[in-house]
Amino acid sequence: EADIYQTPRYLVIGTGKKITLECSQTMGHDKMYWYQQDPGMELHLIHYSYGVNSTEKGDLSSESTVSRIRTEHFPLTLESARPSHTSQYLCASSEFTGGPDTQYFGPGTRLTVL
Amino acid sequence: SQQGEEDPQALSIQEGENATMNCSYKTSINNLQWYRQNSGRGLVHLILIRSNEREKHSGRLRVTLDTSKKSSSLLITASRAADTASYFCAAGLDSNYQLIWGAGTKLIIKP
Repeated sequence: EADIYQTPRYLVIGTGKKITLECSQTMGHDKMYWYQQDPGMELHLIHYSYGVNSTEKGDLSSESTVSRIRTEHFPLTLESARPSHTSQYLCASSEFTGGPDTQYFGPGTRLTVL
Repeated sequence: SQQGEEDPQALSIQEGENATMNCSYKTSINNLQWYRQNSGRGLVHLILIRSNEREKHSGRLRVTLDTSKKSSSLLITASRAADTASYFCAAGLDSNYQLIWGAGTKLIIKP
């Protein structure tokens, strides 16, 4: 198992709340990613980062934001959660070798918005 | 748009049998990767095959890649109950180096 951690593992909140999903890795990887995955479905990239102070939007339109102030930390924030945000959120990291690298995943955060 | 597709969506076999899963993609790739996901948890990388390779082995896993047909297959030999999981292919794009994921094959190994 890779050294990448996500908290919380499960979160149930009400509509309109602000939430931050935490992701940390101890491998010194430059690239980090956030994916959204509905049950039994493919992963959709919502944000990624090449390194400190770098953040990019992925293919899936998202109302979330991310920050990368430290190499090891890549939190995702939802300013106002809605039921449509109910999903599993997966954080991953990889080395940055200039190609599509092997990604290492955290255990995921399963979010339910009531 | 989704670029990876997997077939079958679900597969149920007896322990000891071989399991084959297929993946197709739509664009030029740098590599093709396979991952396993247990019970909705995070994914674990299994094997990576580069676009200039045709076959690769790792333990009981055998991956093939046919770039002319834009397809790959994953073979798990002598399956075990612990192989029960969902298996995802991810196409590593040449254009932007991102991974485009298939919807996965759910594999159930019956004891």
